[in-house]
Amino acid sequence: QVQLVESGGGVVQPGRSLRLSCVVSGFTFSNYGMHWVRQAPGKGLEWVAVIWYDGSNKYYGDSVRGRFTISRDDSKNTLYLQVNSLRAEDTAIYYCARAGISGTAIIDYWGQGTLVTVSS
Amino acid sequence: EIVLTQSPGTLSLSPGERATLSCRASQSVTSSYLAWYQQKPGQAPSLLIYAASSRATGIPDRFSGGGSGTDFTLTISRLEAEDFAVYYCQQFGSSPYTFGQGTKLEIK
Repeated sequence: QVQLVESGGGVVQPGRSLRLSCVVSGFTFSNYGMHWVRQAPGKGLEWVAVIWYDGSNKYYGDSVRGRFTISRDDSKNTLYLQVNSLRAEDTAIYYCARAGISGTAIIDYWGQGTLVTVSS
Repeated sequence: EIVLTQSPGTLSLSPGERATLSCRASQSVTSSYLAWYQQKPGQAPSLLIYAASSRATGIPDRFSGGGSGTDFTLTISRLEAEDFAVYYCQQFGSSPYTFGQGTKLEIK
């Protein structure tokens, strides 16, 4: 079955960096685009970034562009999100998600998320 | 950026009733690129509807989606206890792939 397991969250000071990971199983990772989506405590969903199945294209949300970098390592079935220059407003659960609907970037599976708390 | 506006913000209904949720886009969205998600407390979202009207695997037929252009709807024909949750629409027509702010469906 499809599984996505995030890790790397924690408490970090403002201005610092973190790398989030998402290990996937149950499908051929290299065939799928992947997303990061976040959710601040008690708030709605915010799309963060997407990477194409072959890594050829990467797109970012306006609030993270220039600070966050999405990448993938197909040999490790792992998706990454490098988050730099963290701010209090980056505090959220970060979900990785699969773009699984054929011919689109629509998300069909989600991980359970990893919590990032930015606080001094 | 395409802004998605969901209404109402909160919908209070009883089991057995019909729910109609709206998602309005600030510019036209190709129907193929519009999805609906359900999120229950403490859980990750899950896909309900993709391409505006196609049910995801395992989704019961009391859930239906419709609409085109800038106006989309999610309808739940007869509410069951497990349907009370928060619902989000998302567009994948152009980056950034924005979400609506959500509609909370609560038990009346």
